[in-house]
Amino acid sequence: QLQLQESGSGLVKPSETVSLTCTVSGGSIVRTNDYWGWIRQPPGKGLEWIGTIYYSGSTYYNPSLDSRVTISINRFRNQFSLRLNSVTAADTAVYYCARGQSGGYPPYHYLDVWGKGSTVTVSS
Amino acid sequence: IVLTQSPATLPLSPGERATLSCRASQSVRTSLAWYQQKPGLPPRLLIFDASHRATGIPGRFSGGGSGTDFTLTISSLEPEDFAIYYCQQHSDWPLTFGGGTQVEI
Repeated sequence: QLQLQESGSGLVKPSETVSLTCTVSGGSIVRTNDYWGWIRQPPGKGLEWIGTIYYSGSTYYNPSLDSRVTISINRFRNQFSLRLNSVTAADTAVYYCARGQSGGYPPYHYLDVWGKGSTVTVSS
Repeated sequence: IVLTQSPATLPLSPGERATLSCRASQSVRTSLAWYQQKPGLPPRLLIFDASHRATGIPGRFSGGGSGTDFTLTISSLEPEDFAIYYCQQHSDWPLTFGGGTQVEI
């Protein structure tokens, strides 16, 4: 059974960088039909897709965050990671990692397996 | 692509039928997913490709629609179905979510 678990920085100061890692267990991160994504949810608000990485290293980012986001993958550790720099209070949110599956139109995908989420607070 | 969900809040009783709407600002073909989220938990995939139930999802959940107009129907509400529901398009970048519909007692 595939499971995802986020880990990383919980409290970050403004202008610093959030670093999160998602560890995938119960299956390989190197699968041709799978995509690996990050999604966030500010307190009391809806969901925002941050970006996605494919096992080959191809990345897709939300333009609203593009200049500040880097997603990377470590196939040997079965992990993928998120870095978000120059954070402000608006980046305070629960950050989820998830597996993406494409329907008929890859690489666009829905998200079928989610981690439990990691709370990131930006505050001085 | 902007997804608009309606209504924002849907007050219903157990046993009643729930009909949730998601409208896209441009065609997403049938590339639409629905999620259920309860407080403190991650979203749970219910429906993908507009009408396909995800693994383990009860038959009372059904999805329909294509192009710009989509519906999630819960045929008879169970107590555990009271939650927030989000739609998401998987037709184009960036992937986007609707603002959610809260189904409340």
